Amino acid sequence: QSVLTQPPSASGTPGQRVIISCSGSSSNIGNIYVYWYQQLPGTAPKLLIYRDDQRPSGVPDRFSGSKSGTSASLAISGLRSEDEADYYCAAWDDRLNVVMFGGGTKLTVL
Amino acid sequence: QVQLVQSGPEVKKPGASVKVSCKTSGYKFNTYGIDWVRQAPGQGLEWMGWISTLDATAVYAPKLQGRVTMTIDTSTTTVYLELRSLRFDDTATYYCARGGYGDSGWFDPWGQGTLVTVSS
Repeated sequence: QSVLTQPPSASGTPGQRVIISCSGSSSNIGNIYVYWYQQLPGTAPKLLIYRDDQRPSGVPDRFSGSKSGTSASLAISGLRSEDEADYYCAAWDDRLNVVMFGGGTKLTVL
Repeated sequence: QVQLVQSGPEVKKPGASVKVSCKTSGYKFNTYGIDWVRQAPGQGLEWMGWISTLDATAVYAPKLQGRVTMTIDTSTTTVYLELRSLRFDDTATYYCARGGYGDSGWFDPWGQGTLVTVSS
């Protein structure tokens, strides 16, 4: 069981807004930056959000990140079929001294 | 453009060692560290550790301490991951990723992955 907790699945229809949550503690999310990764089927993960809410160049503004206390969220608006992927949150944990990943959320576009 | 190209798939027996390479290009090598992350089949991501390309200092996940070594070759801008005493549950795709200094959790971009299969 991961220290960072994500729902195992999420779904939405094209055009909808979907939110994926990531719950942690004061030793990780509550104390340091959160990162989000998108992993399309059969490919390596890709950085989607860094430092809680920053988008790398090339990432559409349909993707946004936020954080409050010991929880973080990834929002995807204007859902598209190509957004169907696994999404992972990540953060350093200063009690365990590792980068922790959430268990991943499989997003299905209906 | 920034690229990380990894070595090919490996099949190893339990107890053996494996060494995976990660050739970097497209940026100044010593301005970013390199992290290693693995993913067992059908499972999530697991961080293995990070190595500085400035002085080769490495930080390893406690779970792997004693079995893992990360090294660098600055002449070829290549980073290596060695995992010893392989077990069946080390079967996974191993990824290298460019990592930030003082920005733990920032991995961009990633290599294409190397499948390591541990089988008797």
